[in-house]
Amino acid sequence: DGGITQSPKYLFRKEGQNVTLSCEQNLNHDAMYWYRQDPGQGLRLIYYSQIVNDFQKGDIAEGYSVSREKKESFPLTVTSAQKNPTAFYLCASTEGQQSYGYTFGSGTRLTVV
Amino acid sequence: QKEVEQDPGPLSVPEGAIVSLNCTYSNSAFQYFMWYRQYSRKGPELLMYTYSSGNKEDGRFTAQVDKSSKYISLFIRDSQPSDSATYLCAMGRGYQKVTFGTGTKLQVIP
Repeated sequence: DGGITQSPKYLFRKEGQNVTLSCEQNLNHDAMYWYRQDPGQGLRLIYYSQIVNDFQKGDIAEGYSVSREKKESFPLTVTSAQKNPTAFYLCASTEGQQSYGYTFGSGTRLTVV
Repeated sequence: QKEVEQDPGPLSVPEGAIVSLNCTYSNSAFQYFMWYRQYSRKGPELLMYTYSSGNKEDGRFTAQVDKSSKYISLFIRDSQPSDSATYLCAMGRGYQKVTFGTGTKLQVIP
């Protein structure tokens, strides 16, 4: 079955540590996205990539970094510069470059300990 | 003022009831409108997508868009306990990023 796989499901980060969230899709979708979900705030766009080796900042990119070396993979690194990283992180993809009709992964819950 | 406003709920209804979920928006440039369903600790899944004013029906679900009032709705007929989830509205224009509502939590009581 085609879909998006996010791993790990739960992740714990110590203060000052960088962590990387994995996102892999086998849908052959061109565009991939990272969103952060916090209670009462809805989904906020962190980064997106419409083609391999290219990506753009979203609304809340500070403290995050991404890479897009392969079409099927779009990992997100949460750096120590992100002061409030505890959140639910969602990876999504779309066919072509349109932004509607996302397919989402199951998410990664990141907690700072 | 947020671009998209959505009542967070929670909304509790008895099984079999008709559910009405709503969003208002301020950006008249939005062209397409979506509803996503999100179960607890899961990613959202696309339920309905519409491009213009009017109604679109899919089984027990009906999406309604009124661009003149900047108001969209999702109706669920014969609601089931399995419909208990958070419902997110979303809207966008062209190839621009999508703006999501904060979500309405729905509980259908058997």
